[in-house]
Amino acid sequence: EIVLTQSPATLSVSPGGRATLSCRASQSVSSSLAWYQQKPGRAPRLLIYDAYTRAAGIPARFSGSGSGTEFTLTISSLQSEDFAVYSCQQYHTWTPGRYTFGQGTKLEVK
Amino acid sequence: EVRLVESGGAVVQPGGSLRLSCAASGFTFDEYTMHWVRQAPGKGLEWVSLITWDAGSTYSADSVKGRFTISRDNTKNFLYLQMNSLRTEDTALYYCAIEKFKYFQQWGQGTLVTVSS
Repeated sequence: EIVLTQSPATLSVSPGGRATLSCRASQSVSSSLAWYQQKPGRAPRLLIYDAYTRAAGIPARFSGSGSGTEFTLTISSLQSEDFAVYSCQQYHTWTPGRYTFGQGTKLEVK
Repeated sequence: EVRLVESGGAVVQPGGSLRLSCAASGFTFDEYTMHWVRQAPGKGLEWVSLITWDAGSTYSADSVKGRFTISRDNTKNFLYLQMNSLRTEDTALYYCAIEKFKYFQQWGQGTLVTVSS
């Protein structure tokens, strides 16, 4: 089973700054990786799929990169609404019952 | 506008049962595989169960297999999760989600299930 490890667990960045979040897979997932944003009381939102493709309506300040086992979500020029929890999910190795997520990174205001 | 609205969450005792519902609108419901995903307090997301567009196939995580049953009504655009033999570790916010190519395109806001005596 592929394990996704996100780092850091918590990231403190000032508004207007740049945030770099990491997701590492225990084995290669090619480019089959998605990123989600979660806010309390709100529906999780798909940000990135296929490692670097922005979902519809996602601002250009969100970008994804990486392939294989190392992935990065970068948020440039942080806005107040960007402070949230971010989770990655792999779908390269898929069998029924094997959807796997990372444990999440909390992006907080510095 | 795509909308997924979960309901049915409650406080229930261990060993009890609960049925969650997810009302879908704004898209062609019967064309999509649908999922339940949960998040326990302070924990990451955990996939729970899926059902294909025609209800021809269902799959569940090992942690809920034999206790939870996913179903759907394509005439009413509803997704369901029947949860039996609930355990304290089932306490979580339960989301329904639309699948697209094995990732989750759209999610609801969730409904809270608390299993406690």
